[in-house]
Amino acid sequence: AQTVTQSQPEMSVQEAETVTLSCTYDTSENNYYLFWYKQPPSRQMILVIRQEAYKQQNATENRFSVNFQKAAKSFSLKISDSQLGDTAMYFCASIHAGNMLTFGGGTRLMVKP
Amino acid sequence: DGGITQSPKYLFRKEGQNVTLSCEQNLNHDAMYWYRQDPGQGLRLIYYSQIVNDFQKGDIAEGYSVSREKKESFPLTVTSAQKNPTAFYLCASSTTRQPQHFGDGTRLSIL
Repeated sequence: AQTVTQSQPEMSVQEAETVTLSCTYDTSENNYYLFWYKQPPSRQMILVIRQEAYKQQNATENRFSVNFQKAAKSFSLKISDSQLGDTAMYFCASIHAGNMLTFGGGTRLMVKP
Repeated sequence: DGGITQSPKYLFRKEGQNVTLSCEQNLNHDAMYWYRQDPGQGLRLIYYSQIVNDFQKGDIAEGYSVSREKKESFPLTVTSAQKNPTAFYLCASSTTRQPQHFGDGTRLSIL
């Protein structure tokens, strides 16, 4: 079974600073996809960023970027210039065979003014 | 606009009653999913369907049932056998190897 682990249940960061959320995963496949989802207090699940395992270049979406270390099976999310609206639960997830998503347990991020 | 619509937003169930949560998508996605989320927890897969007229149990299927008669629709029934149904339910859809798109969720509570 595939597993995704987020070792930080809660984190906080001052507004405008940078924070990194950790994620590790376990797979025996070579071709897979990794995602970070954001769940604000409204409970919507919003896709933040995605990474294809075959791409060596780290994905970037505006203030969000990942550090993908394939050999270490690590997929951390860096949020730069943190904003109050970034306060949310963040879930790391992976797709392996087929379309099945495996989610981590989540990290609650609080951005402080 | 394309998307996933879940209804109702809030639902209350009486003891011994079955209730059905609606999920409709107009994204032309083949695959659809139902997840349960308890407070402060991650998502757990209840059922999924990769194609019309076919569906598979997820990790916590007991006490739930689904149908997939149309590509656009994947309703979830919470039966009286589900003894602890109070939770937030999320529906999602996707195409092959693409990220799942989620609805806004239904919050189910016991009266």
